[in-house]
Amino acid sequence: KQEVTQIPAALSVPEGENLVLNCSFTDSAIYNLQWFRQDPGKGLTSLLLIQSSQREQTSGRLNASLDKSSGRSTLYIAASQPGDSATYLCAVRLSAGGTSYGKLTFGQGTILTVHP
Amino acid sequence: DAGITQSPRYKITETGRQVTLMCHQTWSHSYMFWYRQDLGHGLRLIYYSAAADITDKGEVPDGYVVSRSKTENFPLTLESATRSQTSVYFCASSEFGGAGNSNQPQHFGDGTRLSIL
Repeated sequence: KQEVTQIPAALSVPEGENLVLNCSFTDSAIYNLQWFRQDPGKGLTSLLLIQSSQREQTSGRLNASLDKSSGRSTLYIAASQPGDSATYLCAVRLSAGGTSYGKLTFGQGTILTVHP
Repeated sequence: DAGITQSPRYKITETGRQVTLMCHQTWSHSYMFWYRQDLGHGLRLIYYSAAADITDKGEVPDGYVVSRSKTENFPLTLESATRSQTSVYFCASSEFGGAGNSNQPQHFGDGTRLSIL
């Protein structure tokens, strides 16, 4: 059974700092990995999706890397801002095919606070 | 506007009652999903659907029923609500990319916060 772990559970940093969020998974036979952001009382917003054949994806100040063989992904946030404060979740999708198609397994998230 | 909407946003009911949570998407995505989010458990898949009239169980399906008569709607019913079903429920959808392009992100609604007394 795929298990996804995120470390740290919570992180508080001053504005402007660069930071790294970690995600690890137990079954390396993944199809892709997705990073989400969740604001309080809101749904999840997709930030980045990395295919299993890719090493990293970038969007603005965000960079996500994937090392499938070691079962790890990191989300790097450059020059953090108070508006980045949210819960960040990673989710993995197992290899395509069969009844598990499309299903995601989520980590429990990292609560990020960026203070001015 | 295109998107995925859930209703109601908040619901309070009593144990034993039947409750239906609605989910509607305007993208015509093939896949739809229901998750529940609880402290200490994170997001867990309840049911999902690959297309109209095709549904399958997820990780925690007991006590829930789904249907998908139309592509755009995927209601979730609690047949006889229990206190353990108090949670925040999220609906999501994604496109089916086909064998050569299956890396489609999931898009989420804003959730329904359900309290069962």
